[in-house]
Order: sequence, then C-alpha cells, then structure tokens
Amino acid sequence: NAGVTQTPKFQVLKTGQSMTLQCAQDMNHNSMYWYRQDPGMGLRLIYYSASEGTTDKGEVPNGYNVSRLNKREFSLRLESAAPSQTSVYFCASPNDRREAKNIQYFGAGTRLSVL
Amino acid sequence: GENVEQHPSTLSVQEGDSAVIKCTYSDSASNYFPWYKQELGKGPQLIIDIRSNVGEKKDQRIAVTLNKTAKHFSLHITETQPEDSAVYFCAASSPSGTYKYIFGTGTRLKVLA
Repeated sequence: NAGVTQTPKFQVLKTGQSMTLQCAQDMNHNSMYWYRQDPGMGLRLIYYSASEGTTDKGEVPNGYNVSRLNKREFSLRLESAAPSQTSVYFCASPNDRREAKNIQYFGAGTRLSVL
Repeated sequence: GENVEQHPSTLSVQEGDSAVIKCTYSDSASNYFPWYKQELGKGPQLIIDIRSNVGEKKDQRIAVTLNKTAKHFSLHITETQPEDSAVYFCAASSPSGTYKYIFGTGTRLKVLA
C-alpha cells in the first residue's frame, strides 16, 4: 500500500522553464491537495481538488496550474518557473470516510530549486 | 484572515525530559486540530488529533490539550527519546467544510542524548 506517491523527488530548473509535478494516491480518496513548504512559513495550500473533475484555488495559487486527471492522479504545473517557487512541494489526500474524516496523508515531497 | 501561531520554532530537550509545543488559532469556528510529525526527507505524518468537543487526548507518551475559550492547543511529549527529534506542525481546520487546514509554522524538536 503506497499511499501517496510523488515524482520527481528532486528537480532543478532554470528561470522560465516549465515542469509538472506528479501525484498519485491508491487509497480511493476523493480529495487531493498540493502544498508548498517554506522555512518559517509552514505548509501553504496551493490548490486542491475535492473530487474528480473539480479544482479550486488555495492560499497561494499564483504561478501554478493543476489537473485532476482521474480519481488517482493530481498534477501541479509550473508554466514559467521563478526563483520564488523554490520550495518543497507536498501532495496530500485526506481520508474521506466519515469515521476517519480529515486525516491527511502526505507524499514524501518534491524538492524544487529554480535558479 | 485565519491564522495559526506556533511556538517555539526550535526546542532542545535532554532525553527523558518533556517537551511542550503550543499553538494559537484565530477562527473560533475551527473544530479539528491535528498534529503532524515530519522526519527529515519525509512528508508530515499525523501523530495525534483532537476535536473541539474534547479537552484532552492521550496516546502513550503523546498528549494534546485544547482550550477553546483561549483558542490554544498544545502538544505534550513525555519521556522524550532521540527518535522524537523531528519537525512538528500543528493545524486547525478551516470552517469552510472542504477539509482545508491552516498550518502552524513548525517546531524543530531536538532530543539530546
């Protein structure tokens, strides 16, 4: 049972390059989330998807796009990377079952550096 | 806007001592408060949580207390061990009902052997 799987684990980009961060969950959850983690700022929500086919902006969506490809997969795209997007990115998926509501399962993260 | 403050940002304790991390939230509608532990190179993992209808919850060496009136909640780790060294995050549910959370800024706990 892999839970939440993110790829790649590490990436270095030049300013202006584009890339897509991939996330997949095998827990049959409806919701999926993308966060970024910066020193001294905790985890900030970029985008989330409450169910297949829907996406919504979080706290810090500027510079990002997302795609909920199917129930399992939720990708995060940087169209034109900027140094301010240097961060560690986490995908997460909460357990939707009523008795286990709100428990978030996180992937291992993608460490992104934009030069 | 909604905010969660977490203190301290770093905490060093001797092995066997207790550690306490405190969080304050701003939205009185928040009703669920999880704590996550993040080990180096890994994603955060839930270690304990508490709902607003409960004042305290304990799981072996870990306990969480909630003071709804003061909008404070705290994580208590007793008999600390080196493997407790990690970054700990508190969070408060957002009242929008879509499972969104506001996270604290994290506490780096070091347990000195």
